[in-house]
Amino acid sequence: GAGVSQSPSNKVTEKGKDVELRCDPISGHTALYWYRQSLGQGLEFLIYFQGNSAPDKSGLPSDRFSAERTGGSVSTLTIQRTQQEDSAVYLCASSGIGRPYEQYFGPGTRLTVT
Amino acid sequence: DQQVKQNSPSLSVQEGRISILNCDYTNSMFDYFLWYKKYPAEGPTFLISISSIKDKNEDGRFTVFLNKSAKHLSLHIVPSQPGDSAVYFCAAPDDYNTDKLIFGTGTRLQVFP
Repeated sequence: GAGVSQSPSNKVTEKGKDVELRCDPISGHTALYWYRQSLGQGLEFLIYFQGNSAPDKSGLPSDRFSAERTGGSVSTLTIQRTQQEDSAVYLCASSGIGRPYEQYFGPGTRLTVT
Repeated sequence: DQQVKQNSPSLSVQEGRISILNCDYTNSMFDYFLWYKKYPAEGPTFLISISSIKDKNEDGRFTVFLNKSAKHLSLHIVPSQPGDSAVYFCAAPDDYNTDKLIFGTGTRLQVFP
């Protein structure tokens, strides 16, 4: 079956522009997670959704970051007024009921802010 | 403060030998641990996990050992194969919000012929 997909795979944007990153989770997975990996760093938790609601937004680095999920499926992560420090690989993952720890990751979106 | 630490950024092992990847954690409340493997340009994939009620979990060539008193876990790969070359992350669910995984910084394993 289809895994987690993310688009675009690569995004180069100018500082100050807004970007939208998209995630399509595995069909039927109720939980969806966003992480980012900066150069030389581990994966940093950003936000997760259970259904369409986001119980934990504590990982969002600033109010320039927001995310939404509609229909319990697709999610978009929006970064407004991008900064160079936002450059990273943004990873999305999903998990099924009863197995929240076994998260299935997409290939990521590499964001470069110039 | 890093709650999950992988102090070796890289490891090089000959094919057929054992690979041992280490991970330390600081939060004694962690009760479940996972290992993920990541190839370049791909997302991490779940490899193996262990609950704190166990000290060992084995799956084929992969075994994870947990030493709770030392707050240390290790992943053993025997025998190592060139296809095992990847970055390995250990992770633990945050004890405050168990839907959130806390990852280490990863160890890059290279298995050479």
